Amino acid sequence: NAGVTQTPKFQVLKTGQSMTLQCAQDMNHNSMYWYRQDPGMGLRLIYYSASEGTTDKGEVPNGYNVSRLNKREFSLRLESAAPSQTSVYFCASSEYRGLNQPQHFGDGTRLSIL
Amino acid sequence: AQSVSQHNHHVILSEAASLELGCNYSYGGTVNLFWYVQYPGQHLQLLLKYFSGDPLVKGIKGFEAEFIKSKFSFNLRKPSVQWSDTAEYFCAVNPRTMNTGFQKLVFGTGTRLLVSP
Repeated sequence: NAGVTQTPKFQVLKTGQSMTLQCAQDMNHNSMYWYRQDPGMGLRLIYYSASEGTTDKGEVPNGYNVSRLNKREFSLRLESAAPSQTSVYFCASSEYRGLNQPQHFGDGTRLSIL
Repeated sequence: AQSVSQHNHHVILSEAASLELGCNYSYGGTVNLFWYVQYPGQHLQLLLKYFSGDPLVKGIKGFEAEFIKSKFSFNLRKPSVQWSDTAEYFCAVNPRTMNTGFQKLVFGTGTRLLVSP
């Protein structure tokens, strides 16, 4: 049972480099999310896609872009990485018309910006 | 803006001790409430959830939580913890919005629980 798959699991970048984090889910969920997790700050929503074809900003969108490639895939791009973007990034998915349904999380991408 | 507060950042317990982790939220309307757990090196997993009905909800692994609307709280409890409960616990709130099925969670900052054998 794959669930939510994120690649890569680890990455080190230099300041100014660009990178795309990939996320795919096989649960036929409509909604997908990108979070960052920082010590003492919990999870903060970067961007989300309520359904295929739509994307919206979350709490901390600056410095990021997203693409909902299809129903399965939702990528997060850092155009010009900054040390402040060092974090663990989690992708999640959930049913759209399902307030009773939880979000399912991937294993995370640990990203370090030097 | 909605916020979720978890006042206990670190908790250390011995096995068999009782656990209560606090969670308070600021949203005044109807909410859905969740507790997620993150074991070391793993992704977040749902522990339990509350949507309506009985305010005392039971989750996996012997955890339960009580929704007290008047206190805007959703505290997590377990009568007797085990070493395997060592993890980080996150409270999350989904403020319900009329005419939408979309779920947008606001997470607390997390509580790290260390259970010593």
